[in-house]
Amino acid sequence: DSGVTQTPKHLITATGQRVTLRCSPRSGDLSVYWYQQSLDQGLQFLIQYYNGEERAKGNILERFSAQQFPDLHSELNLSSLELGDSALYFCASSVLPDTEAFFGQGTRLTVV
Amino acid sequence: GENVEQHPSTLSVQEGDSAVIKCTYSDSASNYFPWYKQELGKRPQLIIDIRSNVGEKKDQRIAVTLNKTAKHFSLHITETQPEDSAVYFCAASGGGATNKLIFGTGTLLAVQP
Repeated sequence: DSGVTQTPKHLITATGQRVTLRCSPRSGDLSVYWYQQSLDQGLQFLIQYYNGEERAKGNILERFSAQQFPDLHSELNLSSLELGDSALYFCASSVLPDTEAFFGQGTRLTVV
Repeated sequence: GENVEQHPSTLSVQEGDSAVIKCTYSDSASNYFPWYKQELGKRPQLIIDIRSNVGEKKDQRIAVTLNKTAKHFSLHITETQPEDSAVYFCAASGGGATNKLIFGTGTLLAVQP
């Protein structure tokens, strides 16, 4: 157990819908990262937060948004879902942006 | 933008042989280079990391080398075992003010018994 908790573990939804993925970082970690991993693909960086503020953005679609709350948990919102959004979404956290990042178990999103 | 290239995409070795995976990065300001192992159906886990002020780091059968001038770093696994079979990802971080943690595309390592 990495100490990073992601919910839900699995999510099946229809095209056009909106979902929210939740991440609780390890105690004491201020940085939270979100990654998308499609089948047989690498880890695509979506967005990073540090102590409640957006720190860096990757190739995140405009239909996707995220935030980090005062208690440091983070949510990734995916809207107007398309079939191609089906993937494993990982959250990771670290003490500082350039220290070891610990991954959650991921949320498997299936869009049908 | 920042980019991390990783080669090879697949690697098959015989048990006991060595395996080498290479990565190059584009952002010369990067200063932290971790390697992650992802077993099938599981989360990525850190196996070793290196910082830009160090040229080489070793942990038992695993070693990482860094060449800052050439902007490339490599993972070396010696005396490979079947349980080393997994996908390995390199990453680079610390570039500029954003400190993005950017991953390579991954290497599927298969260790044949």
